[in-house]
Amino acid sequence: ETGVTQSPTHLIKTRGQQVTLRCSSQSGHNTVSWYQQALGQGPQFIFQYYREEENGRGNFPPRFSGLQFPNYSSELNVNALELDDSALYLCASSLDSASIGETEAFFGQGTRLTVV
Amino acid sequence: GNSVTQMEGPVTLSEEAFLTINCTYTATGYPSLFWYVQYPGEGLQLLLKATKADDKGSNKGFEATYRKETTSFHLEKGSVQVSDSAVYFCALSPMEYGNKLVFGAGTILRVKS
Repeated sequence: ETGVTQSPTHLIKTRGQQVTLRCSSQSGHNTVSWYQQALGQGPQFIFQYYREEENGRGNFPPRFSGLQFPNYSSELNVNALELDDSALYLCASSLDSASIGETEAFFGQGTRLTVV
Repeated sequence: GNSVTQMEGPVTLSEEAFLTINCTYTATGYPSLFWYVQYPGEGLQLLLKATKADDKGSNKGFEATYRKETTSFHLEKGSVQVSDSAVYFCALSPMEYGNKLVFGAGTILRVKS
């Protein structure tokens, strides 16, 4: 079975631009969560998608948005980029949206976004 | 709110030394608790978990016990190896929002041969 893959691995954007990050979930997984990991900090929950619907959101502004497709892959879109958006963006897939204590979340290697 | 506090690093140990990384949490009720590990250049991997009070999670020689009375989930290993060098994250999944993870800031572990 394939793991969680994210693309691109690195990218550099200019302040004010828009960016799209992509995630392919592990085979058989229908839930994708996105996290932002700033340098030297732990990951912070952005939002989760379950069967193509947003299923929970963390404390991030509306310029962070997402999509989930019928094959359960997902995109994270960030508009009007700010310097503080520079971070590692992690995608995690799991089997369903039940309590995460009952199912394991598998993380991709992340996309390193630098905003200049 | 929900939060996780873990000891600051880096923690530097010699091979075969005993490891403890402290983790305490704030949450209502009984969250599930986790340790994740991030090796250089890799994504987060689940190391171990515990879903109720007094449960002990264990994997690859690492252990952690869910202590409700002290709201702690300290990570221990009896004899570390150079290959254990990584960043370790303590995390919780809140009862009221079971499908998200709240992470601590991470602790860098460096093991010298």
